[in-house]
Amino acid sequence: KAGVTQTPRYLIKTRGQQVTLSCSPISGHRSVSWYQQTPGQGLQFLFEYFSETQRNKGNFPGRFSGRQFSNSRSEMNVSTLELGDSALYLCASTGVGDTEAFFGQGTRLTVV
Amino acid sequence: EDQVTQSPEALRLQEGESSSLNCSYTVSGLRGLFWYRQDPGKGPEFLFTLYSAGEEKEKERLKATLTKKESFLHITAPKPEDSATYLCAEKGSSASKIIFGSGTRLSIRP
Repeated sequence: KAGVTQTPRYLIKTRGQQVTLSCSPISGHRSVSWYQQTPGQGLQFLFEYFSETQRNKGNFPGRFSGRQFSNSRSEMNVSTLELGDSALYLCASTGVGDTEAFFGQGTRLTVV
Repeated sequence: EDQVTQSPEALRLQEGESSSLNCSYTVSGLRGLFWYRQDPGKGPEFLFTLYSAGEEKEKERLKATLTKKESFLHITAPKPEDSATYLCAEKGSSASKIIFGSGTRLSIRP
């Protein structure tokens, strides 16, 4: 079956702009998590959604937000971009009753 | 706060030279200890889930084991294509999020 799909794969934005990233989970998976990966900080948890509700949130400023739709697809939004937001943003989905998460290929965001 | 510590940060081996990667975790009520492989610029690829001390899982040249506070990823007779970053992660009973270690960069020389 198809894996987790993230779009776009690459993005270049200017400081102060906002950006929306999209994630389609594995068919049948209802939990979607988002992570930020940078060389210095590794994989940092952003938030998790389950059945359109945010179930958990990491320690990121309010500029980072997300949502989940009824078909389990998820989007994350970053407003007022800063240079430090440059990172690989990863989405992962988990099936009901499962514990492991399956990741997409990520969106590489560069803020200039 | 729950924490995952991996060692070493980087490991260079000759092809065929077996070794082990270490992962220590602090969570109580472990719901899962995970190993992932990540190639540069790509998302982590799921390898194993371990649930209880004493459990072992194998896949090709990789074997993962679990104790009460540590997990090991043993790599036997590695090949250059095994070069990647290997990530360890935990999920505790009190949270739905998965916490990752910083990874071990494994490089296999032909």
